[in-house]
Amino acid sequence: DAGVTQSPTHLIKTRGQQVTLRCSPKSGHDTVSWYQQALGQGPQFIFQYYEEEERQRGNFPDRFSGHQFPNYSSELNVNALLLGDSALYLCASSLAGDGETQYFGPGTRLLVL
Amino acid sequence: AQSVTQPDIHITVSEGASLELRCNYSYGATPYLFWYVQSPGQGLQLLLKYFSGDTLVQGIKGFEAEFKRSQSSFNLRKPSVHWSDAAEYFCAVGVPNFGNEKLTFGTGTRLTIIP
Repeated sequence: DAGVTQSPTHLIKTRGQQVTLRCSPKSGHDTVSWYQQALGQGPQFIFQYYEEEERQRGNFPDRFSGHQFPNYSSELNVNALLLGDSALYLCASSLAGDGETQYFGPGTRLLVL
Repeated sequence: AQSVTQPDIHITVSEGASLELRCNYSYGATPYLFWYVQSPGQGLQLLLKYFSGDTLVQGIKGFEAEFKRSQSSFNLRKPSVHWSDAAEYFCAVGVPNFGNEKLTFGTGTRLTIIP
């Protein structure tokens, strides 16, 4: 049973560019959440997708957008990259329902130069 | 809004010694509580979780945690640490919201094990 997978593992971009990160949820899961983890910090919630719609959003600007596909996989897009966007981006999947646990992928490390 | 405090940024213990990592949360009711572990350059692995019921929960790798409502705490314990336990540990809270739970994490505690 494959867990949560993310691609790519590492990415280097320059300021002003756009980036797309991808996530495939754990088998049987239908909800995907994205988190940003800056160096030395705990993960911060970006947004959550369920039934192909954004269900919740954290305190992140509109430069951060996402999408969920019918197969439950998801993309995170970041436009107009800033140096401060350098971080580990974590995807977590869960099964919709009260109190379901989120399982995390290995993350994508983004470096913005 | 909920919040999580992990008072200890870095803890060093000897291999074989006992361990307790502290976690305090702020929320008006009982949240869902989690401990995750992160090895360098890796994602997060769930150690244990508390939703309701017995306040002492057992997790993987010999870890346990106790929910204390009166202290708003959810401390993680292990009776005897192994060198492989060296990692970053994160406490997280989720507000029950019928499947819409988002996690709020603490800043983490880095655990170093000395021989």
